Parts: sequence; structure tokens; C-alpha cells
Amino acid sequence: EVKLVESGGGLVQPGRSLKLSCAASGFSFNDYWMGWVRQAPGKGLEWIGEINQDSSTINYTPSLKDKFTISRNNAQNTLYLQMSKLGSEDTAIYYCARASYYGFSAYWGQGTLVTVSS
Amino acid sequence: EIVLTQSPTTMTASPGEKVTITCRASSSVSYMHWYQQKPGASPKPWIYEASKLASGVPDRFSGSGSGTSYSLTINNMEAEDAATYYCQQWNYPSITFGSGTKLEIK
Repeated sequence: EVKLVESGGGLVQPGRSLKLSCAASGFSFNDYWMGWVRQAPGKGLEWIGEINQDSSTINYTPSLKDKFTISRNNAQNTLYLQMSKLGSEDTAIYYCARASYYGFSAYWGQGTLVTVSS
Repeated sequence: EIVLTQSPTTMTASPGEKVTITCRASSSVSYMHWYQQKPGASPKPWIYEASKLASGVPDRFSGSGSGTSYSLTINNMEAEDAATYYCQQWNYPSITFGSGTKLEIK
């Protein structure tokens, strides 16, 4: 069974950094592109970016490219999202997803909530 | 960046009714997908590559479209179909989502 479990969310002060993790199991992690999507409270889905199998290609949505960094550790079956200079607009549930063909996210984690507030 | 516009934003349908949700892209996309999300839950993969149903999706759902215009259709609306539906385009290396259509049951 494919399982994606995000962690690392919580309350963080404006301007600070935070690193999220996504533990993957039930499939061969190093065979798949992986990505992050977020959802602000009561709002729609926003694609953050994705990383290929060997980390040689990482794509971001343009507005977040300078704030967020996606990485992965294939030995530990873990995906990461490093977020910097956080503001209230970054308050959201952050989902990791396993990509399938043509950008389709066939599996999603349960999400981790990040709240940016003083 | 390709902008996806979904319509309607919100709609209410009666059981048994036919429902159509549309998604229009600001320019031609390579692939279009759809997700279903219920309150408090993660999005679920629903339709991929415009017309292929994801695993477990009832066959009363269908998808169609090409270029800049896509739609999701439900034949015979059921109570369990009440949810928010999002379209998502892939035009490498860009991915964007529509703003969602909230579908309620009457």
C-alpha cells in the first residue's frame, strides 16, 4: 500500500524557516517524481514544485522559486520541503504527492498544517 | 503560466441530475487532470489525461476536452458526489490548478 506521511508542520514566526518531511512507503521511492502542493485555509490547491528521481531536475511554481527548496533522500525514502522567510500567506496545509505520468498526482499524503503567526 | 478558469464556482444539483463542470485554460495544455476533495480530506485523484477514470471512480463520471477547454460530467448525481472538484494542467515544466468547483447536493 502506498503511504505518504508528512511531518514538520506547526506554528512558526514570520520571517523564520521551516523544513517539512514526507516519509514514503509501499513503493519504490527512487522510481518516481515527487511533488508538493499546498492549500491555504478555505482556499484552493496551489502547486509548489516537483523533483525527479535522482534530484537532477527540480521544477517550481515561479512565485515560490526563491523561497522554497525541494529535496529528497532516496536512501531514507523521504521527500523534503525547505521553506524560508515565511509570511502569513504561507499558512496552509502542505501535501506531498507521488507523481504519475504527465503531472498527475496519483497518491497524496494527509497533509501537515503550517501556521505562520507571531 | 497557464491560468485555469473553472465554472461554475459553486453549484447545487439534485439526485439523478446531470452535472457538468468546465475548465478553460488561458492557452493550450498538454494534459488535464481532475481531483475530488471533501472537507477535511486530502484531494483524491479522479480523472487523468482528460478522460481516464482513476481507480475506484464510479463510471457515472466522465471527462472530455482538448486544447483549452475541458469538462467533467456526472450522469445521475448521487449524494456522495458532493465535493469540490479541481482541474489541473500539465504543460512541462509547469503545473497549475483551477480554483475549484464546489458541488452540493439539493
